[in-house]
Amino acid sequence: AQTVTQSQPEMSVQEAETVTLSCTYDTSESDYYLFWYKQPPSRQMILVIRQEAYKQQNATENRFSVNFQKAAKSFSLKISDSQLGDAAMYFCAYRAISGYALNFGKGTSLLVTP
Amino acid sequence: EAGVAQSPRYKIIEKRQSVAFWCNPISGHATLYWYQQILGQGPKLLIQFQNNGVVDDSQLPKDRFSAERLKGVDSTLKIQPAKLEDSAVYLCASSLGVRQGAYEQYFGPGTRLTVT
Repeated sequence: AQTVTQSQPEMSVQEAETVTLSCTYDTSESDYYLFWYKQPPSRQMILVIRQEAYKQQNATENRFSVNFQKAAKSFSLKISDSQLGDAAMYFCAYRAISGYALNFGKGTSLLVTP
Repeated sequence: EAGVAQSPRYKIIEKRQSVAFWCNPISGHATLYWYQQILGQGPKLLIQFQNNGVVDDSQLPKDRFSAERLKGVDSTLKIQPAKLEDSAVYLCASSLGVRQGAYEQYFGPGTRLTVT
């Protein structure tokens, strides 16, 4: 079974600064999908960014980018120019190509201070 | 475009009582998922439907949990009887399908269940 590990239960960043959230995963598959989801206090999970494992280029979405290291099985999220609205729980998730379910990590709580 | 709808948003019941949650996915989405999110953890898949058929229910505690998706649209998740450890947020998600280009899951706001 694939496992996803987020080793940082909490992170803090000042407004306008950059923060990186870590994620590692375990799989024997060569192709798969990786995601970062944001969950604000409203509880609604929002997709932040996705990465297909066969793509070597790191995904970017505006202020959000990933550092995908396939050999190291590492998938970190970088948030640039942090905003107060970025404060939330962030979950890393893995999905097998042939599977359906998202396997989530335990999450990292991000605090953004003025 | 309307998102995934869930009701109720909150529910408090006593142990051994029964409870039901409702989910209406995004129109046209063939795949529907129910996740359980216990406090301090990431969501865990309980059951997945493709149209009105079950694709994966391997992690559903079938002695107390049941789910159905009539006519391949709305879905209900039921717990009977509830236990204290069922206290969690129950998230519903839907996607167009499961293949590349259609697999993105959209989540509803969830139902927070407290069992006392």
